[in-house]
Amino acid sequence: AQKITQTQPGMFVQEKEAVTLDCTYDTSDPSYGLFWYKQPSSGEMIFLIYQGSYDQQNATEGRYSLNFQKARKSANLVISASQLGDSAMYFCAMREANGNKLVFGAGTILRVKS
Amino acid sequence: KAGVTQTPRYLIKTRGQQVTLSCSPISGHRSVSWYQQTPGQGLQFLFEYFSETQRNKGNFPGRFSGRQFSNSRSEMNVSTLELGDSALYLCASSTRTGEVTEAFFGQGTRLTVV
Repeated sequence: AQKITQTQPGMFVQEKEAVTLDCTYDTSDPSYGLFWYKQPSSGEMIFLIYQGSYDQQNATEGRYSLNFQKARKSANLVISASQLGDSAMYFCAMREANGNKLVFGAGTILRVKS
Repeated sequence: KAGVTQTPRYLIKTRGQQVTLSCSPISGHRSVSWYQQTPGQGLQFLFEYFSETQRNKGNFPGRFSGRQFSNSRSEMNVSTLELGDSALYLCASSTRTGEVTEAFFGQGTRLTVV
């Protein structure tokens, strides 16, 4: 069975600094996809970035990058130049090989300090 | 381009009642997935619909059901509501089913059962 582990319940970061949110996964499928979402207090899940298991390069989307280490089964999210608006819950999720079902981690609350 | 629209945003129901939630996916998206989010269990997959057919189902009792219409709009129904059904219900839309690289969520419907 697939599993996502986010070991950091909460993180603090100073405004304008970079922060790394950890995510490890477990699957026996050779083909899978990894997602990161941001959930502000309003509840909406905002798609940030995607990494496919066969992608050779780490995914990047603006200030977000995904540090994909396949052998270690980790998919850490790096947010550069943190902003106050980045304060939210962040979820790592994995898609299984043959469907759209996402398995989510428990999430990490990020607080950006001014 | 309009995003994923979920209605209503908030609902208060009494134990034993039934409820119907609606999700309109992004135009052109044919896959709709539903998730339940609670503080105790986190985000859990309910089911996925694609082209009016249920493609995948999570581990929820039969009181939870859904359907998809020809215009890709989806509804989920919960019958005989229990206190434990209080949750944020999120739907996600994708262009297709199977190995998607994007899944966009709506703002959710917050259901409170009293």
